Parts: sequence; structure tokens; C-alpha cells
Amino acid sequence: DAGVTQSPTHLIKTRGQQVTLRCSPISGHKSVSWYQQVLGQGPQFIFQYYEKEERGRGNFPDRFSARQFPNYSSELNVNALLLGDSALYLCATSQGSGYGYTFGSGTRLTVV
Amino acid sequence: AQSVTQPDIHITVSEGASLELRCNYSYGATPYLFWYVQSPGQGLQLLLKYFSGDTLVQGIKGFEAEFKRSQSSFNLRKPSVHWSDAAEYFCAVDLSSNTGKLIFGQGTTLQVKP
Repeated sequence: DAGVTQSPTHLIKTRGQQVTLRCSPISGHKSVSWYQQVLGQGPQFIFQYYEKEERGRGNFPDRFSARQFPNYSSELNVNALLLGDSALYLCATSQGSGYGYTFGSGTRLTVV
Repeated sequence: AQSVTQPDIHITVSEGASLELRCNYSYGATPYLFWYVQSPGQGLQLLLKYFSGDTLVQGIKGFEAEFKRSQSSFNLRKPSVHWSDAAEYFCAVDLSSNTGKLIFGQGTTLQVKP
């Protein structure tokens, strides 16, 4: 069984640009959550989607948005990139609350 | 506000020695509790989780954790550490609010001496 797949693995963008990160969940997992992990810190919750609806949003600016598709895959979009957006972006999927979460290997975003 | 505290930023143990990583949480009810491990540049791997029932939980790679409600703690233990256990360890809570929001501690970096 394939795990959680994230693409791309690495990305370099310039300040002010826009970026789209992708996540494919484990088969049967309908919940997708996104996290930002800055170097030296624990992951910070950005969004959760379940059955294509936004169920939770963390304390991030409106430059961050996401969506979930009918096949339960998800995209995270970040507009007007800042240097401070440089981080490892992690996707976690689950069958639902109470089942635990499986993380992908992440996308390393560097903003220059 | 809900929070997770891992008091030890960095721990060094000798190979073969026992290990305990501390985790305390601040939340009124008993949340779902998790320990994850992260190797450099990688995603997070689930070591174990506690939802309810027996307060001593067994996980992968020989790890176990004990939930103590009176102390709001969920400490991770391993009787004999291997060099391959060197990594960063994160404690996390799920407030069961069906938002998929895990709150993580800041992590503990484990170094293993030969």
C-alpha cells in the first residue's frame, strides 16, 4: 500500500511568487491536514480538509489557501511568498479523528 | 490555551542505556496523545498513540509510553537505546475536535554516544 505522497520534494521560489504543493493520501483516507515546520521547531497546523470541506484552520495569513479534490488529494497554495515561508511543509492524512495521522515526507520550500 | 511542553531540547545517552523523553500537555480533558520520530530532512513517523484504556502503550522499535492523567504527562521510554534511534522526537496531542489539528511540542533531539 502506498503511503502519503507529497510533491515536489524540494522547491526554490523568489519572494513575491506563488507556489502550489500537492498531497496524495493513503487509499481510504478522507482527511488531509497541512503543517508548516520551520527549522528547529515542531510542526504548526495550517489546514484540515475532510470530505472536501475545510474543517480547521490554523493561525496563518490569507496568503495560505488549500483545497481537496474528489479523489481526496489536496493542494496547498501560498501567494506572495515571504522569506519567512521557507520551511518543510508536511501533509498528514487520516481516516478521521481518533484514527491517528500518517505523514508524508514533506516538501522543502526555500524562498530567496 | 492548549499547549504541549517537551522540557528537554537535547538529550545525549550512551548506546545501550535507557531513555526517557518527557512530555506534558495543558488541556482540560484527556486528549489523544502521540509520539512521532523525525530523521533529518524527513517526515514524521508514528511511534505510538494513546486514545483510551491501558495507560502503558507499546509502540514500534521497542518504544513505550505511559499516560499519567494526574501529571498531564505522556513520557516516552526505551530500555536500551540503539545508535539508529538518534533523531528528533515530537510529542503531539489531538484535541478530538474533528479538525485534524495536532498540537506539537518543540521536539527533543536525541544524540546517541557509541
